[in-house]
Amino acid sequence: AQKVTQAQTEISVVEKEDVTLDCVYETRDTTYYLFWYKQPPSGELVFLIRRNSFDEQNEISGRYSWNFQKSTSSFNFTITASQVVDSAVYFCALSEVSGGYNKLIFGAGTRLAVHP
Amino acid sequence: KAGVTQTPRYLIKTRGQQVTLSCSPISGHRSVSWYQQTPGQGLQFLFEYFSETQRNKGNFPGRFSGRQFSNSRSEMNVSTLELGDSALYLCASSLVDGVYGYTFGSGTRLTVV
Repeated sequence: AQKVTQAQTEISVVEKEDVTLDCVYETRDTTYYLFWYKQPPSGELVFLIRRNSFDEQNEISGRYSWNFQKSTSSFNFTITASQVVDSAVYFCALSEVSGGYNKLIFGAGTRLAVHP
Repeated sequence: KAGVTQTPRYLIKTRGQQVTLSCSPISGHRSVSWYQQTPGQGLQFLFEYFSETQRNKGNFPGRFSGRQFSNSRSEMNVSTLELGDSALYLCASSLVDGVYGYTFGSGTRLTVV
């Protein structure tokens, strides 16, 4: 069955530390999309990245980078030189072709606290 | 470009009542989906509409229903409210489906007392 696991419930770091948020997924589909979203205290889910199952290239966007490894079914997210503004809950999500791509399966989320 | 707009932002209802939540998608987006977020169950998919048709539905009781209008705006309704329905209800819109990514609104926080 499809599933997304974010084993880290909470992470606490000091500003400027690097931090990696783990995401492991399960799916029977060979075609799927993976997402990362950020949820600040305001509640809105902010889109960070979308990656399809055929593209295993790692991606970097400023201080953010993502490592997608199909062999281990993982899609990890690293924040380099963390800042207080990075404090939020981060969600990894899966969208499958068998689900018509119109349903997101979310992990439980990782709450990141960055302290000055 | 306006984002996804959800109204109202906050709502307090009494057990047994019914409630209607509204979502206006980004202009041009035809897919609207709804999610329930609670501390215990996390983010769970409720349903998704495209061109006024429900394409997918999550595992929620029949008290939860929705619809989409010809202008792509969507409403969800919860009848006979229970205390456990207290949650943040998030709406997301997309051009067609997840291939294009989803944009979420700020949500409606429903409290059932």
